[in-house]
Formats: sequence, structure tokens, C-alpha cells
Amino acid sequence: AQSVTQPDIHITVSEGASLELRCNYSYGATPYLFWYVQSPGQGLQLLLKYFSGDTLVQGIKGFEAEFKRSQSSFNLRKPSVHWSDAAEYFCAVGGRSGGGADGLTFGKGTHLIIQP
Amino acid sequence: DAMVIQNPRYQVTQFGKPVTLSCSQTLNHNVMYWYQQKSSQAPKLLFHYYDKDFNNEADTPDNFQSRRPNTSFCFLDIRSPGLGDAAMYLCATSRDLTRGNQPQHFGDGTRLSIL
Repeated sequence: AQSVTQPDIHITVSEGASLELRCNYSYGATPYLFWYVQSPGQGLQLLLKYFSGDTLVQGIKGFEAEFKRSQSSFNLRKPSVHWSDAAEYFCAVGGRSGGGADGLTFGKGTHLIIQP
Repeated sequence: DAMVIQNPRYQVTQFGKPVTLSCSQTLNHNVMYWYQQKSSQAPKLLFHYYDKDFNNEADTPDNFQSRRPNTSFCFLDIRSPGLGDAAMYLCATSRDLTRGNQPQHFGDGTRLSIL
């Protein structure tokens, strides 16, 4: 069964500082990997995705993530955070299982706090 | 230009009283999903429709059902809501997966409260 681990429940970063959110996955085949962001009371917005090819993927809002197969990781990074980045961040893995669509399996999320 | 629209944003119902949540999409996507997200937890897939084919997750309670009358609309029916069903319910869509896995687009969710 597939699973996603986000080891950090909360992370506090100063505005302007760099950010890295960790994500490790378990999946039996080539994974499809996603990062979503959720503001309070809102749905999930896709930041970026990895399907294949270049292991460093660029997303919206200045985020990037690097797929490392050897470490089963897909960490999210941003060189300089803004106060508006404060939110919940979810890493997710998806794939196909014979003949149908797969829902996503999410990690438990990392709550990002930005301090002035 | 919202693409996945959920109504209502907030729903209050009584213990045991049936409730229906709705989702519509303007993306013409083949697949529609329903997730349950309890407070401070990750979204959990309940079921999805691939076109008209319904796919239930093994651990989704029988109390939860879904209808998809056409491509654009999908409903989540909770037959007899219990206190444990209070949660945010998220609808998502994605394209035909025969072309490869596509990202899911989420609505803003419906927050369900049970009195």
C-alpha cells in the first residue's frame, strides 16, 4: 500500500528565510508526486507535480521540489518565504491501479508559520 | 472563474438527518472524487467516479453514498449523519487517466457540522 510521511507537523520560519518541507513516500512503482497548499477554510491548491523526467520541478509561487528516488523523498523548497505562505502543506502520492483512477494518498500535512 | 464549485460552503444538519453535498465542475473532467478531511488531518478518499463507473474505497462506511447524474455534477449523500461525520468534505476532479496521471483540482470544500 502506498503511504506518505511528512515528519514535521509544524515549522516556523522567519519571513525572508529559506524553507524546506520534508516528504517521504512509499509506493510500489514509479510514483506520481504532488504538493498541495491549503489555507484555513479553503480547498487544496496544487503547487507542483512530478510525473517523470527532470527530478527538479518548478511550481507556482516560487516553490520547487526535488524527487530523489534513492531516498524516496520529494522535499519542497522555497528560497525566501513571504508572510502569505503561512498555510498547511500536503505532500501526496498517486498512481494507477488496473483500469481505474486512483485517488491521492496524502501525508498528514505540515503547518507552516511565518514569523516577522 | 471557479472550476470546481462546492455548495454549500457550510452545512449544518441534525444527528441522523440525511444530508446532500453537491459539487459541480466546468473542466469537463472524466473523474470526480470525494474526500473527507477531519480537523487537523489529511484528506481521506471516500470514493470516485470514473465517468459513470463508481469506485468505493474499501473502508468507506455504507452511510456514505454518491451520485453522478452527468459529467458536471456529483453529489455526496450521507444517509444518517453521526457526530463523527463532522468534517470538511472536498470534491476534486481530474482528466482521463489513460493519458497518464493528471493532477486533481479541488473545490473549496463544504464544512459539515452535526447538531
